[in-house]
This record gives sequence, C-alpha cells and structure tokens, in this order.
Amino acid sequence: AQSVTQLGSHVSVSEGALVLLRCNYSSSVPPYLFWYVQYPNQGLQLLLKYTSAATLVKGINGFEAEFKKSETSFHLTKPSAHMSDAAEYFCAVSDQGDDKIIFGKGTRLHILP
Amino acid sequence: EAGVAQSPRYKIIEKRQSVAFWCNPISGHATLYWYQQILGQGPKLLIQFQNNGVVDDSQLPKDRFSAERLKGVDSTLKIQPAKLEDSAVYLCASSLFRRDRFYNEQFFGPGTRLTVL
Repeated sequence: AQSVTQLGSHVSVSEGALVLLRCNYSSSVPPYLFWYVQYPNQGLQLLLKYTSAATLVKGINGFEAEFKKSETSFHLTKPSAHMSDAAEYFCAVSDQGDDKIIFGKGTRLHILP
Repeated sequence: EAGVAQSPRYKIIEKRQSVAFWCNPISGHATLYWYQQILGQGPKLLIQFQNNGVVDDSQLPKDRFSAERLKGVDSTLKIQPAKLEDSAVYLCASSLFRRDRFYNEQFFGPGTRLTVL
C-alpha cells in the first residue's frame, strides 16, 4: 500500500534561513509525488509535483523538491524562508495513472523573525 | 476562473443531529472528491465522483454518511446522525478528466469546518 511519512509535525526556521521539510514514501510501483500547502482557513494548493520526468522539481514561491529513489525520499526545500511561508505542508503520493492521492499527516512550518 | 466553492464555511451541531455540506466544482471539471481532514492529520478521501457516478466510496462510513452529485455538477455530503469523531474539515476538490493524461490536478475548495458537541 502507498503511504508517505513526514518527519516532524512542527518545524521552525528563522526568516532568511533554509527550509527543509522531509518526506519519505512507500510505494510498490513508481509513484507520483506531490507537495501541497495549506494556509489557515484555506484549501490545499499544489506547490509542485513529480511525475517521473526530471528528479529535481521546481514549484511555486521558490520551493523545490528532489526525488531520490534510492532513499525513497521527496524532501521539500527553499533557500531562504519568508514570513509568508508559514503554513502547513503536506506530502502526498499516488500511483501513476491514478488520480487518487494519499496524504501525509502534514508539517506545520513556523517562521521566526 | 472561479475556484471550487463550498458552503457553509463553519458549522456547529450537537451529536446525533444531521448536517449537509455543499460543493460547486470548477466549471467543466468532471471529477469531484470529498475529503475529511481531522485535526493533526492529512486529508482522507471519502468519495470520488466521475460526472454523477461514484468511482470510489470505500472510505465513506455509509451507515451515517451519504453523498450525491445530481446532474454531474454540484454535490452534497450529508452526515446523519453526527458523532463527536466527525469533527473535522470537509474538503471538496475537483479535476478535469482527460484520458490522455497520467495525472489530472485536483483543485481544492476552502473547506467546511464541522464541530460536533
């Protein structure tokens, strides 16, 4: 069965520092992988997705993620955190050719001034 | 382009009462999803519609939850009777359905926050 594990339910970084949110996946077939962001009282917004093309994926708002098959990881990074990045981030997985998405439990990102 | 609309945004009820949520997907989106997001967890799919037919409702607690999508556009999700553990945010999402694509992006509404007392 597919699943994703997000390490750390809360992560705090200083404004201007590197953001690193960790995600490991489990899938019996080559997966599609996603990162979503959820701002308070809003729905989920797709940040970026991996669909078996380039392993380094660039998304919106300066975020990127790298698919590492050997490590079964898809960590999300941003070189310099901004206060507006404070939100909850969800890693998710689906089978290729299947629109159903399995979400992780989420990581809340706090930005310290 | 208008996004996915949901109403109400907030609802407080007592246990054993009934409640209904409404979702209007993005125009032209054939696929519609309802998710349940319990505090501290990621969204969990409850039901998926393709036009007005059910594709997957394996995670829907059918003894108390029901959903319909008449005419393949708007959808309603109902809980009857509600339990304390139903307190959650209920998210609706929609996507185009294109057979020539391996993945059809889901667009999410703002959700309905349900509190059961």
